[in-house]
Amino acid sequence: GAGVSQSPSNKVTEKGKDVELRCDPISGHTALYWYRQSLGQGLEFLIYFQGNSAPDKSGLPSDRFSAERTGGSVSTLTIQRTQQEDSAVYLCASSPGRVGETQYFGPGTRLLVL
Amino acid sequence: AQSVAQPEDQVNVAEGNPLTVKCTYSVSGNPYLFWYVQYPNRGLQFLLKYITGDNLVKGSYGFEAEFNKSQTSFHLKKPSALVSDSALYFCAVRDMSLTGGGNKLTFGTGTQLKVEL
Repeated sequence: GAGVSQSPSNKVTEKGKDVELRCDPISGHTALYWYRQSLGQGLEFLIYFQGNSAPDKSGLPSDRFSAERTGGSVSTLTIQRTQQEDSAVYLCASSPGRVGETQYFGPGTRLLVL
Repeated sequence: AQSVAQPEDQVNVAEGNPLTVKCTYSVSGNPYLFWYVQYPNRGLQFLLKYITGDNLVKGSYGFEAEFNKSQTSFHLKKPSALVSDSALYFCAVRDMSLTGGGNKLTFGTGTQLKVEL
C-alpha cells in the first residue's frame, strides 16, 4: 500500500478485556516496529520485527502485551486483561530493514480503557 | 544507553520569523538523528535525518537541522515560519554502535510549536 495502515483507529474497552490492534506495513518493508505514545510519557518502543528473525521484545511493559507478525507482513499487537494505564496511542512503523533507514509511521490506534 | 532531550515543551513564534526547536542527545557511539512532526490525531511524519556527511541537513517543508557533534545537538530550524507549521515536533536518535535491535529509536518528549499571525 501507499503507507502504513492501522486498525481500528479508535478502540474503547473495559478494564480486564483483551484487545487486538492491527498494522499493515508498507509493501516490501521487512522491518516493523510498535511504539506507544502516552500523555506525559512521550513515545516508547515496544517491539521490533525484522524478516524471519526472532523479534526484539525488550520494550514490552508486561507479559500482558504480545505481538506477532504473520507471513512477514501484517502484525497484531495484543493486550490481555487491559488496565487503565494501557490507555494510549499505539503507533506502528515500518522500514526497508537496513540500519539508518527512515521509519514510516501509521496513523495510530487510540486505545481508551475504561 | 541512548537518550534525547527536548528542553522546551512549547515554542511560540510569529509567522514569517525564523524558528528553532532544540534537541540534544546522548549516545555511546555515533548517532543517527531524526526529526518527525505530528499533526493532531495523526501519526508521525518524517521531516529529515542525519546519518553521515554534511552537518546541515535539509528536509521537507523548508525545514533544516544542523548536527553539532561537540555540542551533541541537532536543532531543527526554518528561516520563515508558517501558521501551518504549528504541530508537535519529535527528535529521535539511534546509536550507530548498537548491534541488534534494528533501528529502534529513542524519542524526545516532543516540542509543541505554535506559529501565530
